[in-house]
Amino acid sequence: NAGVTQTPKFRVLKTGQSMTLLCAQDMNHEYMYWYRQDPGMGLRLIHYSVGEGTTAKGEVPDGYNVSRLKKQNFLLGLESAAPSQTSVYFCASSNPNQPQHFGDGTRLSIL
Amino acid sequence: DAKTTQPTSMDCAEGRAANLPCNHSTISGNEYVYWYRQIHSQGPQYIIHGLKNNETNEMASLIITEDRKSSTLILPHATLRDTAVYYCIVRAYNQGGKLIFGQGTELSVKP
Repeated sequence: NAGVTQTPKFRVLKTGQSMTLLCAQDMNHEYMYWYRQDPGMGLRLIHYSVGEGTTAKGEVPDGYNVSRLKKQNFLLGLESAAPSQTSVYFCASSNPNQPQHFGDGTRLSIL
Repeated sequence: DAKTTQPTSMDCAEGRAANLPCNHSTISGNEYVYWYRQIHSQGPQYIIHGLKNNETNEMASLIITEDRKSSTLILPHATLRDTAVYYCIVRAYNQGGKLIFGQGTELSVKP
């Protein structure tokens, strides 16, 4: 009963490096989301997807790209990491008009 | 989506009921009230949601005022494990399921 799985759990990058965060869900959910959470703040939506092959921008999309090639996976990419992208990243999934289920987060530090 | 206002922090004695208020005076007719909580930087956990009727599940009760401009989440017998940040979110039906998180209420349950 895995639910939403995020990999990696921790990562340290240097400024300018690129990386991809992977989110996988095994609940056959249509919708998937990527959020970031900075210290002392609530989550902010980066990008989301309402179905395989579709993506849309959220509140804070700049500096990130996403892809949803398979229904169960949602990838978040940082092409050129910046210190301002140091954060905890959460992935979530849901079916339409149903509650979202969240992963345990990826803690990303950019030096 | 309508904005919500919550107290920054609250205390509750263990074993007593915790009543967490939320103001959403600009809520629209098609917007639901959702409650999530986040325990110690884990991924947010869904608690309960409602449209206009009061709701109860195994975790909590949700009381929505008749004019729908405010609501209260009730944890009937708070335990130390209920210490968390509680988010009240208003979400429109059929809008990609996006959640807009505020700063929430930090609930401390004390022995």
